[in-house]
Amino acid sequence: DQQVKQNSPSLSVQEGRISILNCDYTNSMFDYFLWYKKYPAEGPTFLISISSIKDKNEDGRFTVFLNKSAKHLSLHIVPSQPGDSAVYFCAASDISGTYKYIFGTGTRLKVLA
Amino acid sequence: DAGVTQSPTHLIKTRGQQVTLRCSPKSGHDTVSWYQQALGQGPQFIFQYYEEEERQRGNFPDRFSGHQFPNYSSELNVNALLLGDSALYLCASSLSPGRETQYFGPGTRLLVL
Repeated sequence: DQQVKQNSPSLSVQEGRISILNCDYTNSMFDYFLWYKKYPAEGPTFLISISSIKDKNEDGRFTVFLNKSAKHLSLHIVPSQPGDSAVYFCAASDISGTYKYIFGTGTRLKVLA
Repeated sequence: DAGVTQSPTHLIKTRGQQVTLRCSPKSGHDTVSWYQQALGQGPQFIFQYYEEEERQRGNFPDRFSGHQFPNYSSELNVNALLLGDSALYLCASSLSPGRETQYFGPGTRLLVL
């Protein structure tokens, strides 16, 4: 049972344009969400997080939006740069006190120069 | 400031053997979590260690065990290796259990033949 889903395995975007990566979840107990970026042969790098008490969080070129009623979050990257080409994972954890992250299967972003 | 380090980077074992993977957390972090990432999948939570005790466990058999040392470093042990244990094993550290962001190491790639 995949509780966190990233339905787009890949995405290509032109340099300078907006990249939008999507993530859906099924567990209404999730209250904290994160995005990680992963380059080949490296571990995931933390990008940005959002608590369920917010619907938006920004950090530089990265903005995460949370729609709790739709159980959907998205990561916007503006403007996209070739160095952003990587696999992006969304992750969630719940309010029950369990400390594990549940990850999606990832979306491979390719930013074309 | 050293990040999370893991050793070895790569490992080849045969079925039935045992393996030990090592992790040193980021400076100042006292909590270590282990994840398994199979090819094409997101990381899956194995367990978390805090104060030298296993605090939380994912859906992994008892063949997977761990340890945390007084200096907060950690080991992951896998006994009776199966072909399906071939994966990237990721260690993540955080300031404490709970809502603190987890930071990942580069991983150990294990191949079981």
